[in-house]
Amino acid sequence: DGGITQSPKYLFRKEGQNVTLSCEQNLNHDAMYWYRQDPGQGLRLIYYSQIVNDFQKGDIAEGYSVSREKKESFPLTVTSAQKNPTAFYLCASSPRTGDSNQPQHFGDGTRLSIL
Amino acid sequence: AQSVTQPDIHITVSEGASLELRCNYSYGATPYLFWYVQSPGQGLQLLLKYFSGDTLVQGIKGFEAEFKRSQSSFNLRKPSVHWSDAAEYFCAVGRGATNKLIFGTGTLLAVQP
Repeated sequence: DGGITQSPKYLFRKEGQNVTLSCEQNLNHDAMYWYRQDPGQGLRLIYYSQIVNDFQKGDIAEGYSVSREKKESFPLTVTSAQKNPTAFYLCASSPRTGDSNQPQHFGDGTRLSIL
Repeated sequence: AQSVTQPDIHITVSEGASLELRCNYSYGATPYLFWYVQSPGQGLQLLLKYFSGDTLVQGIKGFEAEFKRSQSSFNLRKPSVHWSDAAEYFCAVGRGATNKLIFGTGTLLAVQP
């Protein structure tokens, strides 16, 4: 079955460390997205990519970095510059769109906690 | 600025009762609207979407939503709630060609036996 795989499901980070969250999709989607979810705040867009080797900052990109070297993969690095990284991180993908919007498909998320 | 408001943070209904979850949006052009559901510790699942045409859209799991342009609303409804519907529900609006979404803050639904 096609879908989006996020790993690991739980991740712990020490102060000052960078950590990388994995997101892989086999839906043949061009566009991929990273969201951060905090209680009572809904989902906020961190980064998105509409095509390989290209990505754009979302609403809360500070302290995060991404790469898009392959169509299937869109890893997110939470750097030590992110002062409040504890959150639930969701990856999503969608077909590339022109003027219309297509639903985004979501992975099951990674919960990041600070030790 | 574009925004989505879900006025109800938490709703409790009895099993078998009807349900309506409210969503109001602010968007200059024709909106693309979505409802997603999230079970604890899981990702989001698409319930239904509105792009154009009929203002009443049907989704999965017996849910429907009605788009009312005059009220800038896209409320989610279900005639008879099941215990398995207990989850958090998110309304979202699409932001044009980039396909970025703006999400509401969610409504947590509890179902009483």
